[in-house]
Amino acid sequence: GENVEQHPSTLSVQEGDSAVIKCTYSDSASNYFPWYKQELGKRPQLIIDIRSNVGEKKDQRIAVTLNKTAKHFSLHITETQPEDSAVYFCAASMRSQGNLIFGKGTKLSVKP
Amino acid sequence: ETGVTQTPRHLVMGMTNKKSLKCEQHLGHNAMYWYKQSAKKPLELMFVYNFKEQTENNSVPSRFSPECPNSSHLFLHLHTLQPEDSALYLCASSQSGGGTDTQYFGPGTRLTVL
Repeated sequence: GENVEQHPSTLSVQEGDSAVIKCTYSDSASNYFPWYKQELGKRPQLIIDIRSNVGEKKDQRIAVTLNKTAKHFSLHITETQPEDSAVYFCAASMRSQGNLIFGKGTKLSVKP
Repeated sequence: ETGVTQTPRHLVMGMTNKKSLKCEQHLGHNAMYWYKQSAKKPLELMFVYNFKEQTENNSVPSRFSPECPNSSHLFLHLHTLQPEDSALYLCASSQSGGGTDTQYFGPGTRLTVL
C-alpha cells in the first residue's frame, strides 16, 4: 500500500546546529506535504507545509524542500534551540486514499 | 477553548465497559477524523467524515463505532476493548476531506484499557 518513510527516528543536535529530517513517499500523485511538531503531552501542530507546485518554502528558521522526481521532501531547522525539542511528523496526501499518510516521526533533542 | 476540543482527556476502562469519546471543532470545518497514536507507530487513521458522511474506515474493528451527528461534533463509541487498544486517540478537522487541506488536531484522549 501507499506509505511514507521518515528518517532518522531520533536526532540529537547541539543548540545552534542545524537539523534535517527526510521523508520519502510512494504515491506519485501526492501533492500536499505538511510537517507537524508534537511536544511531549501535547497535540500535533502544523509548523510548515508545501504543495507540489513549489520546490522550497521557508518560514524563519524552518524550511521544507520537495523533490517530486525523487519523491522525497525534507524539513530543515537552522539555529536550533532547546524549545525545538519534540517529535516531528511528515505527511503526504494520498490520492488513492484521499487522505494524509503520516511518517513514523523523528524525536529531535536539542542539547543546550 | 477554541479550535478542536476533546473530552475526556484521560480515560481508564475495563474490557467490558462501554464509553464514548467526544470531539468538537469550532473552526467551521466540514471534515473530521479519528486517529490512533501508539508508541513507536505512525498516526493511524481510523475514520473520516466529510460533510457528516463517513468516507473512510481503515479496517477498524467493530468495537470502535464512530458517530458524526453534525459537522462540528464527532464521537467514538467504545465497547469490549482489548488492552492493545490503549493509546492516545486524536481527533482532527479540516476545511474539507481529500487529504489536501491542513488538519488541526485536538489535544487527544489518553485511553487505558485494563
